[in-house]
Amino acid sequence: DIQMTQSPSSVSASVGDRVTITCRASQGISSWLAWYQQKPGKAPKLLIYAASSLQSGVPSRFSGSGSGTDFTLTISSLQPEDFATYYCQQANSFPPLFGGGTKVEIK
Amino acid sequence: EVQLVESGGGLVQPGGSLRLSCAASGFTFSSYWMSWVRQAPGKGLEWVANIKQDGSEKYYVDSVKGRFTISRDNAKNSLYLQMNSLRAEDTAVYYCARGGGNGYPYFDYWGQGTLVTVSS
Repeated sequence: DIQMTQSPSSVSASVGDRVTITCRASQGISSWLAWYQQKPGKAPKLLIYAASSLQSGVPSRFSGSGSGTDFTLTISSLQPEDFATYYCQQANSFPPLFGGGTKVEIK
Repeated sequence: EVQLVESGGGLVQPGGSLRLSCAASGFTFSSYWMSWVRQAPGKGLEWVANIKQDGSEKYYVDSVKGRFTISRDNAKNSLYLQMNSLRAEDTAVYYCARGGGNGYPYFDYWGQGTLVTVSS
């Protein structure tokens, strides 16, 4: 199985900050990667697919990059509604595993 | 509007059974792979099972193989998860999600989840 490692596990940031979250795959997955946002008590929401494609309706302050084994989710200017937990997911091969999550907290 | 609504969760004793349902609307259900994803309390996301559009292919995470069965009824726009021989470690919120199969391996819509608690 392809393992996904996210870092950091948590980050404290202020409104307006630029936030970067990293996801590393245990082997190459080309661009088969997605990012999800989950708020407490809510279902996850797809933000980015194919490593850098923005899902419809997602604000442009979210962006994704990377290919192979190293990927990044960037929030260009953190907004109050962005405080949440973010997960990456590899979609290259079975089973579709998720990373451990990164919690973005208010500083 | 795409909607996925799960039901059937609850408290069950170890070794017991439960059947989860997911009612889909707002899209052509029979055109999509469908999946179940779970989240144990305070933990991350874990894909559980998926099923092809016509039900001809089904896949499971190793920890539930032989105990869980995914199925669908395209005439009723519904997805199911039959869970047998339940264990404490199966305690989680179970989400129904669209996608997760060949052609589109991402989960683009999710239900609100249903809580399964396995405890004596």
